[in-house]
Amino acid sequence: KQEVTQIPAALSVPEGENLVLNCSFTDSAIYNLQWFRQDPGKGLTSLLLIQSSQREQTSGRLNASLDKSSGRSTLYIAASQPGDSATYLCAVYTDKLIFGTGTRLQVFP
Amino acid sequence: DVKVTQSSRYLVKRTGEKVFLECVQDMDHENMFWYRQDPGLGLRLIYFSYDVKMKEKGDIPEGYSVSREKKERFSLILESASTNQTSMYLCASSYYNGANVLTFGAGSRLTVL
Repeated sequence: KQEVTQIPAALSVPEGENLVLNCSFTDSAIYNLQWFRQDPGKGLTSLLLIQSSQREQTSGRLNASLDKSSGRSTLYIAASQPGDSATYLCAVYTDKLIFGTGTRLQVFP
Repeated sequence: DVKVTQSSRYLVKRTGEKVFLECVQDMDHENMFWYRQDPGLGLRLIYFSYDVKMKEKGDIPEGYSVSREKKERFSLILESASTNQTSMYLCASSYYNGANVLTFGAGSRLTVL
């Protein structure tokens, strides 16, 4: 059974820091992996999608990498800002989308 | 932009009431999903649908049913609400193209007293 784990569960950093969020999954037979952002009390916004054949995807200050063989993905956020404060979730797609429990990020001025 | 609209953002219901949560998407997506989100448990799939009048059970279907009479609308039904169904409910949709890139609605926060 596929399990998705995100570490750390919470992270608090000062503005301007570069940071890495981690996602690990137990079964490497995935079609793709997505990173989402969720603001408090809101739905999920898709940030990046990495297909199983890809190694990384970039969007602005965000870079997501995928190492399928080791069951790991990282989300790198460059030059963090207070507006980046949110919960970040990763999800892997096999025959359905399975989510991690998220990393709650706070960036303080 | 794809829009997934959940008509009720906040609901308060009593134990035993029948509850309808409505979800509408405007981009002709084939797939639609209902998740619930609880602290420490993440998002769990309740039901999904790949086509009109078609439904499949997710990981936690007990206590729920769904209806998909039109392609754009996917309803989640709680036949007799219970306090353990207090949760955030999230609807999502996607194209049936293998990539399954989901677009989510804003969520419906249900409290059952």
